[in-house]
Amino acid sequence: GQQVMQIPQYQHVQEGEDFTTYCNSSTTLSNIQWYKQRPGGHPVFLIQLVKSGEVKKQKRLTFQFGEAKKNSSLHITATQTTDVGTYFCAGKKSNTGKLIFGQGTTLQVKP
Amino acid sequence: NAGVTQTPKFQVLKTGQSMTLQCAQDMNHEYMSWYRQDPGMGLRLIHYSVGAGITDQGEVPNGYNVSRSTTEDFPLRLLSAAPSQTSVYFCASSKQGSNGYTFGSGTRLTVV
Repeated sequence: GQQVMQIPQYQHVQEGEDFTTYCNSSTTLSNIQWYKQRPGGHPVFLIQLVKSGEVKKQKRLTFQFGEAKKNSSLHITATQTTDVGTYFCAGKKSNTGKLIFGQGTTLQVKP
Repeated sequence: NAGVTQTPKFQVLKTGQSMTLQCAQDMNHEYMSWYRQDPGMGLRLIHYSVGAGITDQGEVPNGYNVSRSTTEDFPLRLLSAAPSQTSVYFCASSKQGSNGYTFGSGTRLTVV
Protein backbone atom coordinates (compact mmCIF):
# COMPACT_ATOMS: atom_id res chain seq x y z
CA GLY A 1 0.00 0.00 0.00
CA GLN A 2 0.90 3.64 -0.10
CA GLN A 3 3.67 4.60 2.32
CA VAL A 4 5.16 7.95 3.19
CA MET A 5 8.48 8.01 5.02
CA GLN A 6 9.89 11.07 6.72
CA ILE A 7 13.36 11.76 8.16
CA PRO A 8 14.81 12.63 10.54
CA GLN A 9 12.48 11.73 13.40
CA TYR A 10 14.00 14.37 15.69
CA GLN A 11 16.18 17.42 15.16
CA HIS A 12 17.69 19.70 17.78
CA VAL A 13 19.12 22.99 16.52
CA GLN A 14 20.47 26.20 17.99
CA GLU A 15 18.32 29.23 17.32
CA GLY A 16 19.45 30.78 14.05
CA GLU A 17 20.54 27.49 12.47
CA ASP A 18 18.79 26.04 9.44
CA PHE A 19 16.57 22.93 9.49
CA THR A 20 15.45 20.50 6.79
CA THR A 21 13.06 17.56 6.86
CA TYR A 22 12.69 15.08 4.00
CA CYS A 23 9.71 13.09 2.83
CA ASN A 24 9.67 10.09 0.47
CA SER A 25 6.73 8.18 -0.95
CA SER A 26 6.73 4.61 -2.22
CA THR A 27 4.39 5.69 -5.03
CA THR A 28 3.94 8.72 -7.28
CA LEU A 29 1.78 11.34 -5.62
CA SER A 30 -0.79 13.68 -7.11
CA ASN A 31 0.04 16.23 -4.45
CA ILE A 32 1.84 16.60 -1.14
CA GLN A 33 0.81 18.65 1.86
CA TRP A 34 2.74 19.90 4.88
CA TYR A 35 1.38 20.38 8.39
CA LYS A 36 2.75 21.71 11.68
CA GLN A 37 1.68 20.45 15.08
CA ARG A 38 2.66 22.37 18.20
CA PRO A 39 3.16 20.37 21.41
CA GLY A 40 -0.26 19.43 22.79
CA GLY A 41 -2.03 20.78 19.72
CA HIS A 42 -3.54 19.53 16.52
CA PRO A 43 -2.00 19.52 13.03
CA VAL A 44 -2.35 22.78 11.13
CA PHE A 45 -2.15 22.92 7.34
CA LEU A 46 0.82 24.85 5.96
CA ILE A 47 0.91 24.32 2.20
CA GLN A 48 0.12 22.04 -0.73
CA LEU A 49 2.43 21.26 -3.66
CA VAL A 50 0.95 19.87 -6.86
CA LYS A 51 3.35 20.31 -9.78
CA SER A 52 6.51 18.35 -10.49
CA GLY A 53 9.55 20.34 -9.33
CA GLU A 54 7.38 22.95 -7.62
CA VAL A 55 9.00 25.27 -5.06
CA LYS A 56 6.96 27.45 -2.72
CA LYS A 57 8.07 29.84 0.00
CA GLN A 58 6.39 31.11 3.13
CA LYS A 59 8.67 33.66 4.79
CA ARG A 60 11.57 31.54 6.16
CA LEU A 61 10.01 28.21 5.03
CA THR A 62 10.81 26.72 1.62
CA PHE A 63 8.89 23.71 0.31
CA GLN A 64 9.95 21.57 -2.65
CA PHE A 65 8.23 18.80 -4.60
CA GLY A 66 10.51 16.41 -6.47
CA GLU A 67 10.57 16.03 -10.23
CA ALA A 68 9.22 12.49 -9.99
CA LYS A 69 6.53 13.59 -7.51
CA LYS A 70 7.71 10.99 -5.01
CA ASN A 71 9.67 13.16 -2.60
CA SER A 72 9.47 16.52 -0.92
CA SER A 73 11.36 18.68 1.55
CA LEU A 74 10.74 21.50 3.97
CA HIS A 75 13.62 23.86 4.76
CA ILE A 76 13.50 26.48 7.50
CA THR A 77 16.12 29.24 7.36
CA ALA A 78 17.38 30.76 10.60
CA THR A 79 15.14 28.89 13.00
CA GLN A 80 13.34 30.69 15.81
CA THR A 81 11.88 29.32 19.04
CA THR A 82 8.43 29.76 17.52
CA ASP A 83 9.33 27.07 14.95
CA VAL A 84 9.26 24.38 17.65
CA GLY A 85 6.85 21.55 16.87
CA THR A 86 6.37 18.48 14.71
CA TYR A 87 6.30 18.88 10.95
CA PHE A 88 4.39 16.31 8.91
CA CYS A 89 4.27 15.67 5.22
CA ALA A 90 1.18 13.97 3.80
CA GLY A 91 0.59 12.60 0.33
CA LYS A 92 -2.34 11.84 -1.93
CA LYS A 93 -2.06 9.28 -4.74
CA SER A 94 -5.01 10.69 -6.60
CA ASN A 95 -7.63 13.36 -6.23
CA THR A 96 -9.45 11.55 -3.44
CA GLY A 97 -9.90 12.15 0.24
CA LYS A 98 -7.27 9.58 1.19
CA LEU A 99 -4.33 11.47 2.71
CA ILE A 100 -1.42 9.44 4.12
CA PHE A 101 0.92 11.06 6.64
CA GLY A 102 4.60 10.54 7.25
CA GLN A 103 5.84 9.89 10.77
CA GLY A 104 6.79 13.52 11.30
CA THR A 105 9.95 15.36 12.31
CA THR A 106 10.01 16.93 15.76
CA LEU A 107 12.03 20.14 15.86
CA GLN A 108 13.51 21.50 19.08
CA VAL A 109 15.14 24.94 19.01
CA LYS A 110 17.55 26.01 21.76
CA PRO A 111 17.49 29.76 22.43
CA ASN B 1 -17.81 28.93 12.10
CA ALA B 2 -16.89 26.41 14.78
CA GLY B 3 -14.72 24.42 12.31
CA VAL B 4 -14.27 20.76 13.26
CA THR B 5 -15.70 19.84 16.66
CA GLN B 6 -14.74 16.62 18.41
CA THR B 7 -16.32 15.22 21.55
CA PRO B 8 -15.39 14.10 24.10
CA LYS B 9 -11.92 15.58 24.66
CA PHE B 10 -10.92 12.85 27.10
CA GLN B 11 -12.30 9.36 27.70
CA VAL B 12 -11.32 6.33 29.75
CA LEU B 13 -12.82 2.98 28.76
CA LYS B 14 -12.56 -0.50 30.16
CA THR B 15 -11.51 -3.31 27.85
CA GLY B 16 -14.53 -4.62 25.96
CA GLN B 17 -16.63 -1.48 26.30
CA SER B 18 -17.99 0.28 23.24
CA MET B 19 -18.22 3.98 22.53
CA THR B 20 -18.61 6.53 19.76
CA LEU B 21 -16.28 9.45 19.16
CA GLN B 22 -18.22 12.34 17.68
CA CYS B 23 -17.02 14.62 14.91
CA ALA B 24 -18.97 17.48 13.33
CA GLN B 25 -17.97 20.20 10.87
CA ASP B 26 -19.92 23.27 9.79
CA MET B 27 -17.88 24.19 6.72
CA ASN B 28 -19.84 22.08 4.21
CA HIS B 29 -16.71 20.01 3.53
CA GLU B 30 -17.16 16.89 1.42
CA TYR B 31 -14.10 15.02 2.71
CA MET B 32 -13.81 13.81 6.30
CA SER B 33 -11.24 11.50 7.87
CA TRP B 34 -10.31 9.90 11.17
CA TYR B 35 -6.68 9.53 12.26
CA ARG B 36 -5.03 8.10 15.32
CA GLN B 37 -1.75 9.46 16.63
CA ASP B 38 0.67 7.37 18.64
CA PRO B 39 4.22 8.33 19.71
CA GLY B 40 6.71 7.77 16.88
CA MET B 41 3.98 6.58 14.49
CA GLY B 42 2.76 9.86 13.08
CA LEU B 43 -0.88 10.10 12.05
CA ARG B 44 -2.41 6.90 10.74
CA LEU B 45 -5.59 6.96 8.68
CA ILE B 46 -8.42 4.85 10.13
CA HIS B 47 -11.37 5.58 7.83
CA TYR B 48 -12.29 8.34 5.45
CA SER B 49 -15.31 9.61 3.54
CA VAL B 50 -15.65 11.59 0.33
CA GLY B 51 -19.29 12.45 0.88
CA ALA B 52 -22.53 11.52 2.62
CA GLY B 53 -23.19 7.80 2.30
CA ILE B 54 -19.64 6.99 1.15
CA THR B 55 -16.92 5.64 3.42
CA ASP B 56 -13.70 3.71 2.87
CA GLN B 57 -10.98 2.06 4.91
CA GLY B 58 -7.66 3.67 5.64
CA GLU B 59 -4.41 2.15 6.92
CA VAL B 60 -5.63 0.83 10.28
CA PRO B 61 -9.42 0.20 10.09
CA ASN B 62 -9.69 -2.94 12.24
CA GLY B 63 -11.74 -2.47 15.39
CA TYR B 64 -13.39 0.72 14.14
CA ASN B 65 -16.62 1.46 12.26
CA VAL B 66 -17.79 4.67 10.66
CA SER B 67 -20.87 6.00 8.92
CA ARG B 68 -21.61 9.25 7.08
CA SER B 69 -25.34 9.82 7.04
CA THR B 70 -24.97 13.61 6.72
CA THR B 71 -22.33 15.94 5.30
CA GLU B 72 -21.73 17.44 8.75
CA ASP B 73 -21.20 14.36 10.94
CA PHE B 74 -18.69 11.52 10.83
CA PRO B 75 -18.80 9.43 14.03
CA LEU B 76 -16.18 6.79 14.82
CA ARG B 77 -17.36 3.70 16.70
CA LEU B 78 -15.22 1.39 18.80
CA LEU B 79 -17.20 -1.84 19.09
CA SER B 80 -15.10 -3.60 21.75
CA ALA B 81 -12.29 -1.43 23.09
CA ALA B 82 -8.81 -2.89 23.49
CA PRO B 83 -5.72 -1.42 25.22
CA SER B 84 -4.07 -1.20 21.78
CA GLN B 85 -6.66 1.46 20.90
CA THR B 86 -5.28 3.81 23.54
CA SER B 87 -4.36 6.84 21.44
CA VAL B 88 -5.18 10.39 20.47
CA TYR B 89 -7.86 10.50 17.78
CA PHE B 90 -8.17 13.35 15.32
CA CYS B 91 -11.02 14.07 12.96
CA ALA B 92 -10.33 16.24 9.93
CA SER B 93 -12.28 17.68 7.02
CA SER B 94 -11.54 19.25 3.66
CA LYS B 95 -13.34 20.77 0.73
CA GLN B 96 -13.18 18.57 -2.35
CA GLY B 97 -10.42 19.69 -4.68
CA SER B 98 -9.25 22.19 -2.10
CA ASN B 99 -6.02 22.49 -0.23
CA GLY B 100 -5.50 21.07 3.20
CA TYR B 101 -7.48 19.44 5.92
CA THR B 102 -8.83 21.26 8.97
CA PHE B 103 -8.32 19.22 12.12
CA GLY B 104 -10.35 19.03 15.28
CA SER B 105 -8.68 19.41 18.67
CA GLY B 106 -8.60 15.65 19.26
CA THR B 107 -9.92 13.04 21.68
CA ARG B 108 -7.48 11.43 24.09
CA LEU B 109 -8.69 7.87 24.68
CA THR B 110 -7.31 5.50 27.31
CA VAL B 111 -8.41 1.85 27.39
CA VAL B 112 -7.61 0.03 30.63
